[in-house]
Amino acid sequence: GEDVEQSLFLSVREGDSSVINCTYTDSSSTYLYWYKQEPGAGLQLLTYIFSNMDMKQDQRLTVLLNKKDKHLSLRIADTQTGDSAIYFCVASDSNYQLIWGAGTKLIIKP
Amino acid sequence: ETGVTQSPTHLIKTRGQQVTLRCSSQSGHNTVSWYQQALGQGPQFIFQYYREEENGRGNFPPRFSGLQFPNYSSELNVNALELDDSALYLCASTKGGGQGNSPLHFGNGTRLTVT
Repeated sequence: GEDVEQSLFLSVREGDSSVINCTYTDSSSTYLYWYKQEPGAGLQLLTYIFSNMDMKQDQRLTVLLNKKDKHLSLRIADTQTGDSAIYFCVASDSNYQLIWGAGTKLIIKP
Repeated sequence: ETGVTQSPTHLIKTRGQQVTLRCSSQSGHNTVSWYQQALGQGPQFIFQYYREEENGRGNFPPRFSGLQFPNYSSELNVNALELDDSALYLCASTKGGGQGNSPLHFGNGTRLTVT
């Protein structure tokens, strides 16, 4: 079945760019999402991209999709302490069910 | 626009008991999904309701059941609670049957502890 993989931790300095990577297995995934979860909180939709797009930009966020390699990335420019959270990569499988990665914990160093 | 609301926020139950969690969907959304998130893990899909019927289910036993009401709100019921059921239960709403092509909007979850 569909699998979504992402590294568990990323540490960056405040002000630098953060790049969180994700790979998925189902080439029929139509939509790919990034969700953010702050400690003790629910899940916040950050952004999403259609599979026929290569890139989507929204303020400090840039999503890049390489459909051939089934690779998705989320770039956060000028990372701030408020960006500390767990970031989930989510892909839809051929039955339109959402498959979640395990999440990448973003740690901000002063 | 009212977001997804869940109740209660925290709950402590004893093994073997039954629990009901509640969710009100975001206005304009007719599809509700439930997820279980164990500590340190990603959310696991439990099931989804559209037009008051279950239209998708993850790998959860029948003691996990649900309902959707005409106003699109929903309940998650868990019978015969086990210690491993301790988790954050998240409700999400969307439009159009949840075909993976419209984003899910999540509530803040109910933290269930089973002792």
